[in-house]
Amino acid sequence: NAGVTQTPKFQVLKTGQSMTLQCAQDMNHNSMYWYRQDPGMGLRLIYYSASEGTTDKGEVPNGYNVSRLNKREFSLRLESAAPSQTSVYFCASSLTENIQYFGAGTRLSVL
Amino acid sequence: QKEVEQNSGPLSVPEGAIASLNCTYSDRVSQSFFWYRQYSGKSPELIMSIYSNGDKEDGRFTAQLNKASQYVSLLIRDSQPSDSATYLCAVPQTDSWGKLQFGAGTQVVVTP
Repeated sequence: NAGVTQTPKFQVLKTGQSMTLQCAQDMNHNSMYWYRQDPGMGLRLIYYSASEGTTDKGEVPNGYNVSRLNKREFSLRLESAAPSQTSVYFCASSLTENIQYFGAGTRLSVL
Repeated sequence: QKEVEQNSGPLSVPEGAIASLNCTYSDRVSQSFFWYRQYSGKSPELIMSIYSNGDKEDGRFTAQLNKASQYVSLLIRDSQPSDSATYLCAVPQTDSWGKLQFGAGTQVVVTP
């Protein structure tokens, strides 16, 4: 039972490049989330998916797109990376509305 | 946007002492509250939840809730070096189901 799996763990991009962060959970959870974490800022919600086929914007959605491919997978895409998107990205899933389980994170640097 | 405020720290605590962490929130309607622990370079993990006014104890951790004053606290008794981490307070967004509002976290450093 792996829980929430994120790939890749580390990534360096040049400004303007695109990439997709992958997230998969094996706990049969309905809800999935993408957060970014910056020093002193805590966790900020980028996008949220309450169930397969639905997505909703969070606090900081600009510059990102998401896809809820199926119940297990929720991907985050950066179409044109900017240095301001340098951050640690966490995917999470939950069964009940508030108890969230996090993946190990992706450390992204945009040069 | 509802606010969840925490002192960033670092909170330096001698080994064996009690660490006291506070969190205030702005949404008076909030009914449930959560504490997550995050070790450096790792992901957050849930350690405590509290729903009613008063104290809730789980091992060396005690969560305290005062809805009238809109604060929730976390006490760590007999602090150990392994408790050195950042502790995040989280409150569900009452105007948006399924979303948590996180505080910025309090860093705790337990010194031997």
